[in-house]
Amino acid sequence: SQTIHQWPATLVQPVGSPLSLECTVEGTSNPNLYWYRQAAGRGLQLLFYSIGIDQISSEVPQNLSASRPQDRQFILSSKKLLLSDSGFYLCAWSPKTDIQYFGAGTRLSVL
Amino acid sequence: DQQVKQNSPSLSVQEGRISILNCDYTNSMFDYFLWYKKYPAEGPTFLISISSIKDKNEDGRFTVFLNKSAKHLSLHIVPSQPGDSAVYFCAASGGMYSGGGADGLTFGKGTHLIIQP
Repeated sequence: SQTIHQWPATLVQPVGSPLSLECTVEGTSNPNLYWYRQAAGRGLQLLFYSIGIDQISSEVPQNLSASRPQDRQFILSSKKLLLSDSGFYLCAWSPKTDIQYFGAGTRLSVL
Repeated sequence: DQQVKQNSPSLSVQEGRISILNCDYTNSMFDYFLWYKKYPAEGPTFLISISSIKDKNEDGRFTVFLNKSAKHLSLHIVPSQPGDSAVYFCAASGGMYSGGGADGLTFGKGTHLIIQP
């Protein structure tokens, strides 16, 4: 069966520091991969999606970037965090269908 | 502009009764709809989905109804159980064969369902 791993679960970072969140999927190959963010009191907002290695599309201009160095690995990064980057970050995968399966999420607090 | 709207931030239902969660959408290009359930500090869990070629899909205690002309869908939970207390998100996509969902999902803001004993 397929599983998705996302870490860390929580992260507290100072403003201006870098960020790296990692997500890996097991038990499947060539999945679509996604990064979402849920800000307080809001729905999930799509940040990036990827249909293959080194194929990244950005939905919202922002202070973040994404990379997919391996088929089942998706990384969310920032060179300098802003206060507004705080939120709950979720990685998801799909087997090339509309149904997406989510990881446990990372709670990021930028102070 | 919010393309998927869940106008009820919260809903309280007595255990054993029916829970009805509503969702409206504005983008007529959406043709696949999903419901996710989310507990605090966890990722959303896929619950049930429906294609626009159907008007109803049922899975155990969960039924989703789609009214395309009204751009409205609803999730019915019967009977409601304490473990159903969670935030429910409605989501939509452009369709199974339009890039395999590669565009990602558009989510509503969620409805917090509270099941009272």
